Amino acid sequence: EPEVTQTPSHQVTQMGQEVILRCVPISNHLYFYWYRQILGQKVEFLVSFYNNEISEKSEIFDDQFSVERPDGSNFTLKIRSTKLEDSAMYFCASRAGTANTGELFFGEGSRLTVL
Amino acid sequence: GQQVMQIPQYQHVQEGEDFTTYCNSSTTLSNIQWYKQRPGGHPVFLIQLVKSGEVKKQKRLTFQFGEAKKNSSLHITATQTTDVGTYFCAGLGGTYKYIFGTGTRLKVLA
Repeated sequence: EPEVTQTPSHQVTQMGQEVILRCVPISNHLYFYWYRQILGQKVEFLVSFYNNEISEKSEIFDDQFSVERPDGSNFTLKIRSTKLEDSAMYFCASRAGTANTGELFFGEGSRLTVL
Repeated sequence: GQQVMQIPQYQHVQEGEDFTTYCNSSTTLSNIQWYKQRPGGHPVFLIQLVKSGEVKKQKRLTFQFGEAKKNSSLHITATQTTDVGTYFCAGLGGTYKYIFGTGTRLKVLA
């Protein structure tokens, strides 16, 4: 069964350092997402990406965040200068289908710990 | 911005009892999806509802989309220990963005 894969599963970093989280979405999917979940809390939307550009982003997704799809398979989230409050589980998701329908397939997540 | 709230936040039930979680959006939704997240896991899709007043069933789970397309519910009949986890609704706000609800954490006591 196709799946979304994420690396690393856990990253520990010092405050102020840059972090790149990587995702390989399901191959024929067209819509890509990053969500984050602070421990025990809700799943928060960060950004959606379609047709090689950001389609929507949340207030959380400020200038410190960027996304890229550098080749045909990887989808990355970069945090330029991490803060303590960036500590969370980051989930990548992808979706096939038309613009307003279709299930999200989530990866197993990358846990980011900022010290 | 759009908000999606769920109640209750937590629910503990005895195995065999029923469970319901309610989802309310501040805006009208194009569709609504439900996800289950096991402890330590990632969200897994359960179902999508599109039509006003739609009701769908999956074995012991019944999903409903409100007439005004602003609320939804998930009802589990005769809970089992395998039902443990957090249930999230997710509403489509805008063309691409699924906003997740606050979640209901279900604990089933054997």
